[in-house]
Amino acid sequence: DAEITQSPRHKITETGRQVTLACHQTWNHNNMFWYRQDLGHGLRLIHYSYGVQDTNKGEVSDGYSVSRSNTEDLPLTLESAASSQTSVYFCASSEGRALYEQYFGPGTRLTVT
Amino acid sequence: GQNIDQPTEMTATEGAIVQINCTYQTSGFNGLFWYQQHAGEAPTFLSYNVLDGLEEKGRFSSFLSRSKGYSYLLLKELQMKDSASYLCAVRDPLQAHAGNMLTFGGGTRLMVKP
Repeated sequence: DAEITQSPRHKITETGRQVTLACHQTWNHNNMFWYRQDLGHGLRLIHYSYGVQDTNKGEVSDGYSVSRSNTEDLPLTLESAASSQTSVYFCASSEGRALYEQYFGPGTRLTVT
Repeated sequence: GQNIDQPTEMTATEGAIVQINCTYQTSGFNGLFWYQQHAGEAPTFLSYNVLDGLEEKGRFSSFLSRSKGYSYLLLKELQMKDSASYLCAVRDPLQAHAGNMLTFGGGTRLMVKP
């Protein structure tokens, strides 16, 4: 069955370190998204991609970057981790354009100490 | 700008009916989604409305009024497993180049009691 996976599921890192969170989907979806979820803020969009070599900034992109070298993967990199980036990160993907819902990965819980 | 409001928490009794409201103010509108999210898990899709009216899917129904910027999710015959957060999300094609951008509300945590 097609699916979307994230790794690692849990990560503890130190302030200032570079961290990369992986997202992999096997639906062959063009659209992929990264969100963070914090109490009181719901899901907020970090970056998104509508296809290979396409990346765009979302609402809370500062301190994060993504790259899209193939259809299946959209890794999220924290260039220099900060305590404010402690959160649960969800990757999502969707098919085509307007009418299709997003499918979410299981999430990565990141703690920056 | 974007503004999507939902109640933070609700409590209901097993077997009852509960209505979770969502109001939105967005630059544009091209559909409203409801997602369910159990604690520690990923959001999963429940429903989608783009035209005014009621969409029914088993025990769950979702209603939309575009003129009022208002939607609700109706859960009937509540079960203990319905205890979860319910997220309202709006697609606004004017937020970015056209496509699948969603803006989420803060979510409503529903607790179902015996």
